Amino acid sequence: QVQLVQSGAEVKKPGASVKVSCRASGYTFNSYGISWVRQAPGQGLEWMGWISAKNGNTEYAQSLQGRVTMTTDTSTVTAYMELRSLRSDDTAVYYCARSGGLGAYWGDSWGQGTLVTVSS
Amino acid sequence: DIQMTQSPSTLSASAGDRVTITCRASQSIKSWLAWYQQKPGKAPKLLIYRASTLESGVPSRFSGSGSGTEFTLTISSLQSDDFATYYCQQYSTYSTFGPGTKVDIK
Repeated sequence: QVQLVQSGAEVKKPGASVKVSCRASGYTFNSYGISWVRQAPGQGLEWMGWISAKNGNTEYAQSLQGRVTMTTDTSTVTAYMELRSLRSDDTAVYYCARSGGLGAYWGDSWGQGTLVTVSS
Repeated sequence: DIQMTQSPSTLSASAGDRVTITCRASQSIKSWLAWYQQKPGKAPKLLIYRASTLESGVPSRFSGSGSGTEFTLTISSLQSDDFATYYCQQYSTYSTFGPGTKVDIK
């Protein structure tokens, strides 16, 4: 079965960076994309962006342009999301989700979520 | 940016009720819309994509309709497992989620 397993919780100081991993299993990794979605405490879902595991093409939410980088490593079937210049309002649970190709940004299988806390 | 709204924000219902949630887009998104269910402390679960296509394994009491700017998610007979928050997501231009609709027990 499709499974996405994310890295553990992180605590970071304002201005620092965080890199969250998402390891895939149960499907052909480079036939799909990975979307990243975050959810601040008690709030709704926010789409952060998407990466093709086939060719590394990316689409980022305009609100995060310049601070976020998404990558994949096909040798370890792992996707990564790095967020820089962290602020307190980046505190959230970060999810990865298996998606389709360019434009097909719905997620049919999700990771368990990674809590990132930004606090001085 | 395409903005998404949902109504109502909260819905109180009883088991067996027919429930309808509305999602509106600020401009036409054709049929590029998905619906999710989320329970506290859990990841979202895909219910419907392309506005009306039921995801494999999702009970048939869930259905989606609409196109352009107005969409609905209907639960034909609410079950105890359906009390949760529901989100719509457009993926016509980048992607945006709606603010969510919480379905709780009347």
